[in-house]
Amino acid sequence: EPEVTQTPSHQVTQMGQEVILRCVPISNHLYFYWYRQILGQKVEFLVSFYNNEISEKSEIFDDQFSVERPDGSNFTLKIRSTKLEDSAMYFCASSESLWRGNTDTQYFGPGTRLTVL
Amino acid sequence: KQEVTQIPAALSVPEGENLVLNCSFTDSAIYNLQWFRQDPGKGLTSLLLIQSSQREQTSGRLNASLDKSSGRSTLYIAASQPGDSATYLCAVRQPPSRGTYKYIFGTGTRLKVLA
Repeated sequence: EPEVTQTPSHQVTQMGQEVILRCVPISNHLYFYWYRQILGQKVEFLVSFYNNEISEKSEIFDDQFSVERPDGSNFTLKIRSTKLEDSAMYFCASSESLWRGNTDTQYFGPGTRLTVL
Repeated sequence: KQEVTQIPAALSVPEGENLVLNCSFTDSAIYNLQWFRQDPGKGLTSLLLIQSSQREQTSGRLNASLDKSSGRSTLYIAASQPGDSATYLCAVRQPPSRGTYKYIFGTGTRLKVLA
């Protein structure tokens, strides 16, 4: 069964450094998402992306964050200057459609644990 | 603004018990609702997805029901096993009219099944 993959599984970085989290969505999917979960808290939506554009973003997704689809398979989340409070599990998700019955299910990847020291 | 709450926050039961996890949402206009399992430090495993037009979905020992009018969903686990120990999350998607694509997650129920 196709699945969303994410690399690395765990990233440790120093405060102020840039990090790039990578995701490979399911191959025929067109819609991509990032969510994050701070330890002990709810999973929160960050951003959705379609046709090389951000289609929706939350108030968390400020100028420190950016997303990109650099090629036909990868989807990345960049944090320009990491802060301690960026430490969280980051989940990538993808869906084939937005509102079309059983093809609009968002499939989640295993997550990247980001630790900012 | 849609809010999703799960009760109880934690639950400890002996092996073999049938149990019910609850999820409530404040805006009854939902597109679908999904139940996930999360093991400590791990990702999200989808268990069941219920479309807004459906009342329930079943998979093995799991049964999820949806009552949109009362803003509630329940996840029923039959004959619980120690391997069911995990955190269970429910998440709601709102309809296109709300102009958002995201899932809104609940607080989770941390389940421990004792051998």
